[in-house]
Amino acid sequence: EAQVTQNPRYLITVTGKKLTVTCSQNMNHEYMSWYRQDPGLGLRQIYYSMNVEVTDKGDVPEGYKVSRKEKRNFPLILESPSPNQTSLYFCASSSTGGARQPQHFGDGTRLSIL
Amino acid sequence: AQRVTQPEKLLSVFKGAPVELKCNYSYSGSPELFWYVQYSRQRLQLLLRHISRESIKGFTADLNKGETSFHLKKPFAQEEDSAMYYCAALGQGAQKLVFGQGTRLTINP
Repeated sequence: EAQVTQNPRYLITVTGKKLTVTCSQNMNHEYMSWYRQDPGLGLRQIYYSMNVEVTDKGDVPEGYKVSRKEKRNFPLILESPSPNQTSLYFCASSSTGGARQPQHFGDGTRLSIL
Repeated sequence: AQRVTQPEKLLSVFKGAPVELKCNYSYSGSPELFWYVQYSRQRLQLLLRHISRESIKGFTADLNKGETSFHLKKPFAQEEDSAMYYCAALGQGAQKLVFGQGTRLTINP
């Protein structure tokens, strides 16, 4: 089944403890991106990647890192998480054409930073 | 600044009534516009985009450049239309998709 898979689905952790949220897609998509969803703010883009080794900042990149070493994977790294990064995170991917193409979203990862 | 605004957080209509979800954008040039939908227990997915000029599940959306709006409409709402709806915009030559705050639509029987 064609899909975007995020792990973990839920995580409760403490301030300062590095964490990684993985995102993997099996559709050979070039474009991948990360969003956070907060009440009243909708989805805000954190980072996106046009292809392997090509990444760029979205609207809210502070406190996050990403890497794109393989086409299928696009992990989101929080080096030193803080409580204001408590949120629902979505990974998405799309084919050639990037953000203009229909975005395929994962199920989301709910992070709680205490 | 590039911005997408959905003024209604919640919208409730009766089955069979017309529904309109509002979306306004603030962009220079001619952005591309989209509506995404998230049904209960499903993933966020594309509903329609203005360049396709299509009707999906009875929904249409007209781009009004003068009013910088892209409202989503359906003449007769159905219960299965209950969902969270997001308007999104993409600037010319850009790869950053900007979403609105979302509108939760509830269709009452």
